[in-house]
Amino acid sequence: GQQVMQIPQYQHVQEGEDFTTYCNSSTTLSNIQWYKQRPGGHPVFLIQLVKSGEVKKQKRLTFQFGEAKKNSSLHITATQTTDVGTYFCAVLRTGANNLFFGTGTRLTVIP
Amino acid sequence: DAGITQSPRYKITETGRQVTLMCHQTWSHSYMFWYRQDLGHGLRLIYYSAAADITDKGEVPDGYVVSRSKTENFPLTLESATRSQTSVYFCASSRGQGQPQHFGDGTRLSIL
Repeated sequence: GQQVMQIPQYQHVQEGEDFTTYCNSSTTLSNIQWYKQRPGGHPVFLIQLVKSGEVKKQKRLTFQFGEAKKNSSLHITATQTTDVGTYFCAVLRTGANNLFFGTGTRLTVIP
Repeated sequence: DAGITQSPRYKITETGRQVTLMCHQTWSHSYMFWYRQDLGHGLRLIYYSAAADITDKGEVPDGYVVSRSKTENFPLTLESATRSQTSVYFCASSRGQGQPQHFGDGTRLSIL
């Protein structure tokens, strides 16, 4: 069954607008990771969240881990054309051996 | 990252043929992974390896075989290719269980 739900599946924004993608799990997570894949490229690791309620920032990107460790969000402030790509969350369920990747959110930025 | 390389980058073959995709990493990472990426499915784990000579099935292992005789290499073989195995295949490695993964550039495989 579905282990992680990532929404939205697609998002088109005007350059300068904000963007948020969400990752939701029905089970408690040990950690969650976020990856970015540019069109035609390979996934690249962005960040890992481990603690309940954790918030981390990378320039215009803000990552948050929910208090219950079942969900996470990635927020981009003032999008740029360089932000185009698909953003994946990858979750490690408590007691599991491997990461499970969400289906991704494909972001298009309109100049 | 040049630390993990996949070959070939592109491959076209016919149904029933055997195909081997190569993956080589220079970081001495313990864990290595094979994923396939299809539209609407994201990345699905085929097989993984925790160390040399230790491999285990992932989410979609049927039709695939792996081996890991050396830490740095993790080849993936399709013993008798089928059209449903047309996909982009990514190899990845990580230092440990659940740790961030580093991906190769991928192999785009088409089976006619």
